Amino acid sequence: SAVISQKPSRDICQRGTSLTIQCQVDSQVTMMFWYRQQPGQSLTLIATANQGSEATYESGFVIDKFPISRPNLTFSTLTVSNMSPEDSSIYLCSVARTSGSTDTQYFGPGTRLTVL
Amino acid sequence: AQTVTQSQPEMSVQEAETVTLSCTYDTSESDYYLFWYKQPPSRQMILVIRQEAYKQQNATENRFSVNFQKAAKSFSLKISDSQLGDAAMYFCAYRSRFTQGGSEKLVFGKGTKLTVNP
Repeated sequence: SAVISQKPSRDICQRGTSLTIQCQVDSQVTMMFWYRQQPGQSLTLIATANQGSEATYESGFVIDKFPISRPNLTFSTLTVSNMSPEDSSIYLCSVARTSGSTDTQYFGPGTRLTVL
Repeated sequence: AQTVTQSQPEMSVQEAETVTLSCTYDTSESDYYLFWYKQPPSRQMILVIRQEAYKQQNATENRFSVNFQKAAKSFSLKISDSQLGDAAMYFCAYRSRFTQGGSEKLVFGKGTKLTVNP
């Protein structure tokens, strides 16, 4: 498995501001993933972050709104920019670990964001 | 594109009884992984069980087991001897085995809320 921490665990923000979420992993990983879980909904991938290259964004998500940094193999940040109430969600980071022949994603505890 | 469908928004079970959660998926790929994740109110996503599509044997993890029917594209989760701590949202997820072009991503179903009654 993997030990993943996220900061902050929750925050309440005003519209128009930005929030940066940090994700720290207990050991080096090649890829880190950022997901969004809107209230009462399932998880949707925002982007995949590789160390040393630009993040790859899924359809519907853009770098200007969700800039991602990946400065090393154990850390990543996701910024939610120019927030609106529609950005109120849980944001989760995850990493993939290979065990035998299986690649499994493990998740951090999530950041609950409320935008007023 | 792959899709995952969980047709039961909510399920309930009596403590110590058995419950089965349904999941179907759509894909044109022949090799992939399937997962069940549990999300309690703490919101932490916890891996429950995983299945490789090339393995015919159904995965088991203690009280949790799956019924994987590849031809039917069905992947149900059976929880035996249900406990109060099993109450949570359960998400079924799909992942391509071949990691090119962003295929590492997990595709989730909408989830099933499981209530365990004492």
